[in-house]
Amino acid sequence: SYVLTQPPSVSVAPGQTARITCGGNNIGSKSVHWYQQKPGQAPVLVVYDDNDRPSGIPERLSGSNSGNTATLTISRVEAGDEADYYCQVWDSSNDHWVFGGGTKLTVL
Amino acid sequence: EVQLVETGGGLIQPGGSLRLSCAASGFTVSSNYLSWVRQAPGKGLEWVSVIYSGGYTFYADSVKGRFTISRDNSKNTLYLQMNSLRAEDTAMYYCARVSHSNYGRYYFDYWGQGTLVTVSS
Repeated sequence: SYVLTQPPSVSVAPGQTARITCGGNNIGSKSVHWYQQKPGQAPVLVVYDDNDRPSGIPERLSGSNSGNTATLTISRVEAGDEADYYCQVWDSSNDHWVFGGGTKLTVL
Repeated sequence: EVQLVETGGGLIQPGGSLRLSCAASGFTVSSNYLSWVRQAPGKGLEWVSVIYSGGYTFYADSVKGRFTISRDNSKNTLYLQMNSLRAEDTAMYYCARVSHSNYGRYYFDYWGQGTLVTVSS
């Protein structure tokens, strides 16, 4: 089965840029989607199809995907960005959805 | 406005059964792909099951043979029948709609608030 690997935690100072990676075998050939989850809340889609944003998601959040790594980039980080972030792909070999283990973003 | 509201969670003994419901509004369940995703306390997201608009169903290996996903088109509601429950099934269970406009680009565009299932004696 397909596996996605994320760093458990990323820390960044306010105003700086946070990069959260998602590793997978030839992940560049798949569409990657990202979710933000704050404590006690349901996940929220923040990036889909590698680098598109749903309405209402600020342009500060962007995505990229190439080779074996997809990346969620959050520019000009704010305190409100502190959350867990999950990457996700669809595995066509078995019609399963796969999540990364999640990354806790801490704003220092 | 799209809304998903889960109900049916609770405390259940190991080996017991429980049925979760997810009432949908703002769209038609029969025309969409719908999934269950769970999250154990303090852990990450785990996909559980999906039902396609055509009725095909798929399950994570961890629940296959024990859980059954279904829908009632007349009630616009999604279900998850959970049998032979184990302690490791303890989690918040979310229902989520799958965006499937393009083949292979499948993601969860709307989520419910979840219902908590606790399996314990």
